[in-house]
Amino acid sequence: KNEVEQSPQNLTAQEGEFITINCSYSVGISALHWLQQHPGGGIVSLFMLSSGKKKHGRLIATINIQEKHSSLHITASHPRDSAVYICAATTGNQFYFGTGTSLTVIP
Amino acid sequence: DGGITQSPKYLFRKEGQNVTLSCEQNLNHDAMYWYRQDPGQGLRLIYYSQIVNDFQKGDIAEGYSVSREKKESFPLTVTSAQKNPTAFYLCASSIWGTGTGAPNSPLHFGNGTRLTVT
Repeated sequence: KNEVEQSPQNLTAQEGEFITINCSYSVGISALHWLQQHPGGGIVSLFMLSSGKKKHGRLIATINIQEKHSSLHITASHPRDSAVYICAATTGNQFYFGTGTSLTVIP
Repeated sequence: DGGITQSPKYLFRKEGQNVTLSCEQNLNHDAMYWYRQDPGQGLRLIYYSQIVNDFQKGDIAEGYSVSREKKESFPLTVTSAQKNPTAFYLCASSIWGTGTGAPNSPLHFGNGTRLTVT
Protein backbone atom coordinates (compact mmCIF):
# COMPACT_ATOMS: atom_id res chain seq x y z
CA LYS A 1 0.00 0.00 0.00
CA ASN A 2 1.36 3.44 -0.93
CA GLU A 3 1.53 6.04 1.78
CA VAL A 4 0.41 8.68 -0.76
CA GLU A 5 -2.39 8.00 -3.23
CA GLN A 6 -3.49 10.32 -6.00
CA SER A 7 -6.63 10.38 -8.08
CA PRO A 8 -7.41 10.37 -10.85
CA GLN A 9 -4.40 8.79 -12.51
CA ASN A 10 -5.24 10.43 -15.84
CA LEU A 11 -7.43 13.43 -16.56
CA THR A 12 -8.51 15.07 -19.81
CA ALA A 13 -10.28 18.43 -19.73
CA GLN A 14 -11.48 21.06 -22.16
CA GLU A 15 -9.83 24.44 -22.03
CA GLY A 16 -11.53 26.65 -19.46
CA GLU A 17 -12.74 23.84 -17.21
CA PHE A 18 -12.22 23.78 -13.44
CA ILE A 19 -9.93 20.88 -12.50
CA THR A 20 -9.45 19.07 -9.22
CA ILE A 21 -6.70 16.58 -8.43
CA ASN A 22 -6.89 14.68 -5.16
CA CYS A 23 -4.22 13.38 -2.81
CA SER A 24 -4.79 11.14 0.20
CA TYR A 25 -2.09 10.08 2.60
CA SER A 26 -1.91 7.56 5.40
CA VAL A 27 0.95 8.97 7.47
CA GLY A 28 1.15 11.87 9.89
CA ILE A 29 2.73 14.72 8.01
CA SER A 30 4.54 17.95 8.72
CA ALA A 31 4.01 19.29 5.20
CA LEU A 32 2.52 18.39 1.84
CA HIS A 33 4.05 19.37 -1.49
CA TRP A 34 2.46 19.74 -4.90
CA LEU A 35 4.83 19.43 -7.84
CA GLN A 36 4.36 19.89 -11.58
CA GLN A 37 6.35 17.79 -14.03
CA HIS A 38 6.49 19.09 -17.57
CA PRO A 39 6.60 16.77 -20.61
CA GLY A 40 10.37 17.31 -20.87
CA GLY A 41 10.81 15.90 -17.37
CA GLY A 42 11.70 18.98 -15.33
CA ILE A 43 9.80 19.41 -12.05
CA VAL A 44 8.61 22.65 -10.50
CA SER A 45 7.48 23.00 -6.91
CA LEU A 46 3.99 24.56 -6.85
CA PHE A 47 3.06 24.55 -3.19
CA MET A 48 4.27 23.42 0.20
CA LEU A 49 1.55 23.57 2.81
CA SER A 50 0.83 22.22 6.27
CA SER A 51 -2.64 23.65 6.85
CA GLY A 52 -5.47 25.54 5.20
CA LYS A 53 -5.19 26.84 1.69
CA LYS A 54 -2.68 28.49 -0.63
CA LYS A 55 -3.28 30.26 -3.93
CA HIS A 56 -0.96 31.19 -6.74
CA GLY A 57 -2.51 32.60 -9.87
CA ARG A 58 -5.03 30.05 -11.17
CA LEU A 59 -3.77 27.33 -8.85
CA ILE A 60 -5.24 26.62 -5.41
CA ALA A 61 -4.05 23.97 -2.97
CA THR A 62 -6.01 22.93 0.10
CA ILE A 63 -5.30 20.48 2.87
CA ASN A 64 -7.49 18.87 5.52
CA ILE A 65 -5.23 17.46 8.20
CA GLN A 66 -8.01 15.59 10.02
CA GLU A 67 -9.12 13.80 6.86
CA LYS A 68 -5.53 13.36 5.58
CA HIS A 69 -6.49 14.77 2.24
CA SER A 70 -5.26 17.51 -0.06
CA SER A 71 -6.61 18.88 -3.32
CA LEU A 72 -5.04 20.87 -6.13
CA HIS A 73 -7.48 22.98 -8.12
CA ILE A 74 -6.84 24.68 -11.44
CA THR A 75 -9.30 27.37 -12.48
CA ALA A 76 -9.84 28.34 -16.13
CA SER A 77 -7.58 25.53 -17.34
CA HIS A 78 -5.33 26.12 -20.33
CA PRO A 79 -3.41 23.74 -22.62
CA ARG A 80 -0.14 24.94 -21.04
CA ASP A 81 -1.38 23.36 -17.77
CA SER A 82 -0.91 19.94 -19.39
CA ALA A 83 1.60 18.16 -17.20
CA VAL A 84 1.94 15.50 -14.52
CA TYR A 85 1.01 16.74 -11.06
CA ILE A 86 2.69 14.99 -8.15
CA CYS A 87 1.74 15.06 -4.51
CA ALA A 88 4.42 14.38 -1.89
CA ALA A 89 4.16 14.16 1.90
CA THR A 90 6.84 14.92 4.46
CA THR A 91 6.61 13.19 7.81
CA GLY A 92 9.67 14.90 9.20
CA ASN A 93 12.02 12.04 8.54
CA GLN A 94 10.54 10.52 5.41
CA PHE A 95 9.35 11.94 2.12
CA TYR A 96 6.69 9.98 0.24
CA PHE A 97 5.77 10.65 -3.39
CA GLY A 98 2.53 9.84 -5.16
CA THR A 99 2.69 8.36 -8.65
CA GLY A 100 1.25 11.47 -10.25
CA THR A 101 -1.83 12.61 -12.15
CA SER A 102 -1.37 13.14 -15.86
CA LEU A 103 -3.44 16.13 -17.01
CA THR A 104 -4.18 16.95 -20.64
CA VAL A 105 -6.08 20.14 -21.43
CA ILE A 106 -7.54 20.22 -24.92
CA PRO A 107 -8.00 23.56 -26.73
CA ASP B 1 18.95 33.27 -12.63
CA GLY B 2 19.40 30.80 -9.79
CA GLY B 3 18.67 27.17 -10.40
CA ILE B 4 19.87 23.61 -10.73
CA THR B 5 21.70 22.38 -13.80
CA GLN B 6 21.86 18.73 -14.65
CA SER B 7 23.96 17.43 -17.48
CA PRO B 8 23.79 15.75 -19.85
CA LYS B 9 20.09 15.59 -20.69
CA TYR B 10 20.48 12.18 -22.37
CA LEU B 11 23.20 9.64 -21.64
CA PHE B 12 23.86 6.28 -23.23
CA ARG B 13 26.25 3.71 -21.81
CA LYS B 14 27.17 0.11 -22.30
CA GLU B 15 26.50 -2.34 -19.53
CA GLY B 16 29.44 -2.69 -17.17
CA GLN B 17 30.57 0.93 -17.42
CA ASN B 18 30.39 3.44 -14.62
CA VAL B 19 28.79 6.77 -15.50
CA THR B 20 28.66 10.07 -13.62
CA LEU B 21 25.70 12.45 -13.74
CA SER B 22 26.38 16.08 -13.00
CA CYS B 23 24.29 18.31 -10.71
CA GLU B 24 25.20 21.94 -9.98
CA GLN B 25 23.16 24.54 -8.07
CA ASN B 26 23.68 28.26 -7.54
CA LEU B 27 20.84 28.69 -5.05
CA ASN B 28 23.14 28.51 -2.02
CA HIS B 29 21.08 25.59 -0.72
CA ASP B 30 22.51 23.33 1.97
CA ALA B 31 20.55 20.18 1.18
CA MET B 32 20.76 18.26 -2.09
CA TYR B 33 19.07 15.07 -3.25
CA TRP B 34 19.19 12.51 -6.02
CA TYR B 35 15.98 10.78 -7.10
CA ARG B 36 15.24 8.06 -9.59
CA GLN B 37 12.00 8.01 -11.56
CA ASP B 38 10.65 4.91 -13.31
CA PRO B 39 7.42 4.71 -15.31
CA GLY B 40 4.35 4.29 -13.10
CA GLN B 41 6.30 4.77 -9.87
CA GLY B 42 6.80 7.67 -7.53
CA LEU B 43 10.21 9.27 -7.21
CA ARG B 44 12.61 7.25 -5.07
CA LEU B 45 15.46 8.73 -3.05
CA ILE B 46 18.94 7.48 -3.92
CA TYR B 47 21.21 9.70 -1.82
CA TYR B 48 20.98 13.00 -0.01
CA SER B 49 23.40 15.48 1.45
CA GLN B 50 22.65 17.85 4.28
CA ILE B 51 25.97 19.69 4.14
CA VAL B 52 29.33 19.72 2.36
CA ASN B 53 31.42 16.57 2.88
CA ASP B 54 28.45 14.69 4.29
CA PHE B 55 25.93 12.48 2.53
CA GLN B 56 23.58 9.67 3.47
CA LYS B 57 22.04 6.70 1.66
CA GLY B 58 18.42 6.93 0.65
CA ASP B 59 15.99 4.12 -0.03
CA ILE B 60 17.71 2.70 -3.13
CA ALA B 61 21.43 3.53 -2.76
CA GLU B 62 22.81 0.14 -3.85
CA GLY B 63 24.89 0.48 -7.01
CA TYR B 64 25.22 4.27 -6.69
CA SER B 65 27.79 6.60 -5.16
CA VAL B 66 27.97 10.36 -4.60
CA SER B 67 30.31 13.07 -3.39
CA ARG B 68 29.74 16.54 -1.95
CA GLU B 69 33.08 18.30 -2.04
CA LYS B 70 31.52 21.68 -2.81
CA LYS B 71 28.23 23.17 -1.69
CA GLU B 72 27.23 23.76 -5.31
CA SER B 73 27.94 20.29 -6.66
CA PHE B 74 26.48 16.84 -5.96
CA PRO B 75 27.49 14.38 -8.71
CA LEU B 76 25.98 10.90 -8.86
CA THR B 77 27.92 7.89 -10.16
CA VAL B 78 25.93 4.95 -11.44
CA THR B 79 28.22 1.97 -11.06
CA SER B 80 28.24 -1.33 -12.88
CA ALA B 81 26.84 -2.88 -9.69
CA GLN B 82 23.46 -1.19 -10.27
CA LYS B 83 21.36 -3.98 -11.72
CA ASN B 84 18.80 -1.90 -13.56
CA PRO B 85 20.30 1.55 -14.21
CA THR B 86 18.14 2.67 -17.13
CA ALA B 87 15.91 5.41 -15.67
CA PHE B 88 15.27 9.14 -15.40
CA TYR B 89 17.43 10.77 -12.72
CA LEU B 90 16.48 14.00 -10.99
CA CYS B 91 18.63 16.16 -8.77
CA ALA B 92 17.00 18.54 -6.29
CA SER B 93 17.94 20.96 -3.56
CA SER B 94 16.26 22.70 -0.64
CA ILE B 95 17.34 25.47 1.69
CA TRP B 96 17.24 23.04 4.60
CA GLY B 97 16.68 19.37 5.06
CA THR B 98 15.70 17.43 8.13
CA GLY B 99 18.90 15.41 8.04
CA THR B 100 16.93 12.27 7.24
CA GLY B 101 16.26 12.79 3.54
CA ALA B 102 13.07 14.77 3.87
CA PRO B 103 13.11 18.44 2.88
CA ASN B 104 11.55 20.98 5.24
CA SER B 105 11.52 23.75 2.66
CA PRO B 106 10.33 23.75 -0.96
CA LEU B 107 12.32 21.61 -3.37
CA HIS B 108 14.00 22.94 -6.49
CA PHE B 109 14.60 20.39 -9.24
CA GLY B 110 16.90 20.14 -12.22
CA ASN B 111 15.57 19.10 -15.63
CA GLY B 112 16.81 15.55 -15.21
CA THR B 113 19.12 13.15 -17.02
CA ARG B 114 17.69 10.23 -18.94
CA LEU B 115 20.17 7.35 -18.71
CA THR B 116 19.96 4.37 -21.03
CA VAL B 117 22.24 1.41 -20.46
CA THR B 118 22.35 -1.34 -23.08
